[in-house]
Amino acid sequence: DIRMTQSPSTLSASVGDRVTITCRASQSIINRLAWYQQKPGKAPRLLIYKVTTLQSGVPSRFSGSGSGTEFTLTISSLQPDDFATYYCQQYNSDSPLTFGPGTKVEIK
Amino acid sequence: QVQLQESGPGLVKPSETLSLICTVSGGSISSYYWSWIRQPPGKALEWIGYIFYTGSTNYNPSLKRRVTISVDTSKSQFSLKLTSVTAADTAVYYCARGGVILEWLSHFDYWGQGSLVTVSS
Repeated sequence: DIRMTQSPSTLSASVGDRVTITCRASQSIINRLAWYQQKPGKAPRLLIYKVTTLQSGVPSRFSGSGSGTEFTLTISSLQPDDFATYYCQQYNSDSPLTFGPGTKVEIK
Repeated sequence: QVQLQESGPGLVKPSETLSLICTVSGGSISSYYWSWIRQPPGKALEWIGYIFYTGSTNYNPSLKRRVTISVDTSKSQFSLKLTSVTAADTAVYYCARGGVILEWLSHFDYWGQGSLVTVSS
């Protein structure tokens, strides 16, 4: 299995802050990484795939970077709608496809 | 706009079989891989397995002994069966579409709303 870790597990921030979440893979996943946003009681929403490609309709304040084993999701200016839990997912191997444990972004 | 909708019992007894159906609308079930993903309360997402419209499947090794995913293209549906359930299988079960046509190694671009299944006697 490719194990995914995320840091921090919880992040307290204010509206307007620049926020960065890190995702690490236990082995190289090249550029096969996606990020999702999930709000309570809702399904995950795809934000970014292939490390940097923004899904249609996702605001440009979201961006992704990285390669190999270390990746980041950045929100350039946190908005009230952005308070949620964020998950990374690797799809370089389907034995199995795996997600990170999540990072909760909460209001400071 | 592609939409996915899970359906099935919300309560299953221990040792019995969990069965869910995902109905796909607004797009063709062909040419994409379709997955089941679950999320225990307060926990992270776990991929269960996927199926291609031809019936080809791949399962998470941790669940492989107990999982069967099948597809009915005539109804634009795919289904999940999980046998010998325990309380540890209590979760919200999501169906989702692989985001890259014909590609099994993919992110998930469309998700169902989720179906909470509780395992309890």
